[in-house]
Amino acid sequence: EVQLVESGGGLVQPGRSLKLSCAASGFTFSNYYMAWVRQAPKKGLEWVATISTSGSRTYYPDSVKGRFTISRDNAKSSLYLQMNSLKSEDTATYYCARHADYSSSLDYWGQGVMVTVSS
Amino acid sequence: DIQMTQSPPVLSASVGDRVTLSCKASQNINKNLDWYQQKHGEAPKLLIYYTNNLQTGIPSRFSGSGSGTDYTLTISSLQPEDVATYYCYQYNSGPSFGGGTKLELK
Repeated sequence: EVQLVESGGGLVQPGRSLKLSCAASGFTFSNYYMAWVRQAPKKGLEWVATISTSGSRTYYPDSVKGRFTISRDNAKSSLYLQMNSLKSEDTATYYCARHADYSSSLDYWGQGVMVTVSS
Repeated sequence: DIQMTQSPPVLSASVGDRVTLSCKASQNINKNLDWYQQKHGEAPKLLIYYTNNLQTGIPSRFSGSGSGTDYTLTISSLQPEDVATYYCYQYNSGPSFGGGTKLELK
């Protein structure tokens, strides 16, 4: 059974940093592109980052480019999101998701972890 | 950036109704579109990929269609467990989600 379990969320002050983790199991992690997607309270979904199987290629929207860094450790079947210079508008539930092997679809999602940016 | 517009924002329907949700892209997305279902308090779930392909385990009452800039998710006979918010998602260029359609029971 595919499982994605996020951790590392919490309350952080504006301008500070936070690192999220996602532990994957039930599939060969190194064979899949992975992604982070966020959802602000009572709002819609926003794609945040994608990383290739080896980690050599990463992709971001303009809203987080230069502030967020996605990375992975295939030996540990783990995905990470380093978030720097956090803003109040980064407050959201962050989901770890797996890209399907047949397309850029997101076929499995974690349960999400909440990040609150506030003084 | 490609903008995705879903309509209507809220839809009320009765059990057994045929329900149609729409998603319009700001430019041609070449059928590179998925539909996701998100129930209250849960993570999103993939329903339909590449416009019209049913994800494994999803009931056959769900179907997708479309091309170019216009796409549709249809539920042939609405069930109580289908109450959720539905999002379209394009991955033709710089992935983006629509704003969602909240589906309620009348």
